[in-house]
This record gives sequence, C-alpha cells and structure tokens, in this order.
Amino acid sequence: LQLQESGPGLVKPSETLSLTCTVSGDSISSSYSYWGWVRQPPEKGLEWIGIIFRTGSTYYNPSLKSRVTISVDTSNNQFSLKLSSVTAADTAVYYCARVVRGVVSDPDWFDPWGQGTLVIVSS
Amino acid sequence: EIVMTQSPATLSVSPGERATLSCRASQSVSGNLAWYQQQPGQAPRLLIYGASTRATGVPARFSGSGSGTEFTLTITSLQSEDFAVYYCQQYDRWPPVYTFGQGTKLEIK
Repeated sequence: LQLQESGPGLVKPSETLSLTCTVSGDSISSSYSYWGWVRQPPEKGLEWIGIIFRTGSTYYNPSLKSRVTISVDTSNNQFSLKLSSVTAADTAVYYCARVVRGVVSDPDWFDPWGQGTLVIVSS
Repeated sequence: EIVMTQSPATLSVSPGERATLSCRASQSVSGNLAWYQQQPGQAPRLLIYGASTRATGVPARFSGSGSGTEFTLTITSLQSEDFAVYYCQQYDRWPPVYTFGQGTKLEIK
C-alpha cells in the first residue's frame, strides 16, 4: 500500500489550500479503513486534520473544522483536502495516511503515511 | 481535548545502550496509544499500537508498555538508525479527536 500527496506547493494568504492523496495497493471503495490527513509545521510536531471513510463520512479536528473539507473520489482511488482562508500558520508538510481500524473497529492509528508535501503560505 | 506530554524533549544515549521515552496523557486513554518514529526529512513510521503491539517489520528491540495515563517506549541495544524523533498518539475517543505528543528527539551521545 502506498499513498502519494499532490498539489500546489505555494498558496497565497486568504486563499484555499487543495491537496489530493492517491492511493495504490488498496481500493478505497472496498476498503474497511479510513483515510486521513496530518500536518507538521516546520520544526514542529504533528497535528491531525481529519479523516474520511469511503462513504464520505468525515471527522475533523475541532480546531480546524470551520475551514476544512475532506472528500473522497472512489473512481480515481483518491481523497482530497481543502483548507480555506489560509494564513502563514498553515505552512506545513501535509501528510496523507491510512487510518487503521483497531480492535473495536474504530479508526485508530495511522499506517502507512505518504511521503508528505510542503505547502508554503505566502504572497 | 486530551493533551499528550512527552519527556524528555531530547534524550542523549550511546549506541548499544537502552533508551526509555515517556508519554503522559492528561486523562486516561486506556491502552489506546501508538508510537511513531520520524527520521529527518521522512514521514512518520508506525512502531507500536495498542500501547504494546509492534507493527509489522518493527525490530524486537522496540517495546511499548503502559496504560491509562503513563506510557513508555523502550529501545534496547540502540542502533544508528534508531536516532530519530519519536511521537506518541492517543486514539481513545469517539468521535475521534486524535492528539500527538510534541515528540522526543533521540540523539547520539
């Protein structure tokens, strides 16, 4: 299973950041897993953004919920992230990952991860 | 929100020795904890889930323990490739609100 992020590396302040994650080695449309996004500002730690199931069911980080939309495109085996009204604080490496369902079938841990893509917010 | 606190921020250990990394949760997360390793310029890699279960392909020198609010990642016989940043992550709540610790940098002494 491999995941690959793609999208613009530079976004202007107040605009919308858009990224896509392409999944290979598993079919989103038949997978039991969730799929998620995590970001990491330069020299800082990891922050969960949100997750999505193949049905389109989503869960978002409350701190970002008002600006985040995650969608799924099962026909192309992809899922996407949109983050609106970006500022310099949204500059980060953005990772997509599979979210593995654990013992009680809740989406629990992230494995594997894509290589990540750096998005810089700057005019 | 459950806050995850890792200690120490930086740990200096010699190759071949043992490293002990700690992760504390602000409230109980039962055994719902994962550990990740991140090498410079790379994506995080899952090491441990369920507080103590090694992920596929993870060497036996990595072990996790703990439950509730106190967790430990132990690495015995440190190899050169083990020097990295380690993160813990809790997944105890539904609907999910995942939180990560701030990381521990394991460096060569």
